[in-house]
Amino acid sequence: RKEVEQDPGPFNVPEGATVAFNCTYSNSASQSFFWYRQDCRKEPKLLMSVYSSGNEDGRFTAQLNRASQYISLLIRDSKLSDSATYLCVVRRGNQGGKLIFGQGTELSVKP
Amino acid sequence: DGGITQSPKYLFRKEGQNVTLSCEQNLNHDAMYWYRQDPGQGLRLIYYSQIVNDFQKGDIAEGYSVSREKKESFPLTVTSAQKNPTAFYLCASSTHREETEAFFGQGTRLTVV
Repeated sequence: RKEVEQDPGPFNVPEGATVAFNCTYSNSASQSFFWYRQDCRKEPKLLMSVYSSGNEDGRFTAQLNRASQYISLLIRDSKLSDSATYLCVVRRGNQGGKLIFGQGTELSVKP
Repeated sequence: DGGITQSPKYLFRKEGQNVTLSCEQNLNHDAMYWYRQDPGQGLRLIYYSQIVNDFQKGDIAEGYSVSREKKESFPLTVTSAQKNPTAFYLCASSTHREETEAFFGQGTRLTVV
């Protein structure tokens, strides 16, 4: 079993739709959590950090459930420009901050 | 402007040759990482370094080597022992603080011809 697992994609949604991505992690020593966005043939860029209390940034909401070892990302009112691959990232505190990536979930927003 | 720079952007290598990918950062970050990404796949950790003159193997270190002689630099050598080296290589850096994210270079696309 992979340490960080994401919903298999791709997700194909119409503009304006709400879409949710899920991610689970297996190592309870994991301390910090992030969502990155990666456009085709480009480097990943931070979308948002994920805090225990949940956090929102415009149309994006991230939530963390430590008891279930589960992270989610909700995108409301999808735009064409949201089309990308979304990567769930976990940082372990007990190994000097090693960053572990999920395999990514591809989102395609159609007109 | 602070950032992390990888070079070259594209690299072609003949089979049996070693090649070194450059990664430099001026963010004053202690930690640096090398990842490999294959088409349609996630990022897999090759090596990481938390401090100068120290580094640890990641999940797929075989056929690769690194050095960390300076805080700013973390070059990756792809050796002839790496059987399938064609991939997109990404370098990242971060602080030691757990809650901080990693920043990536633009990547090097290596093709074996």
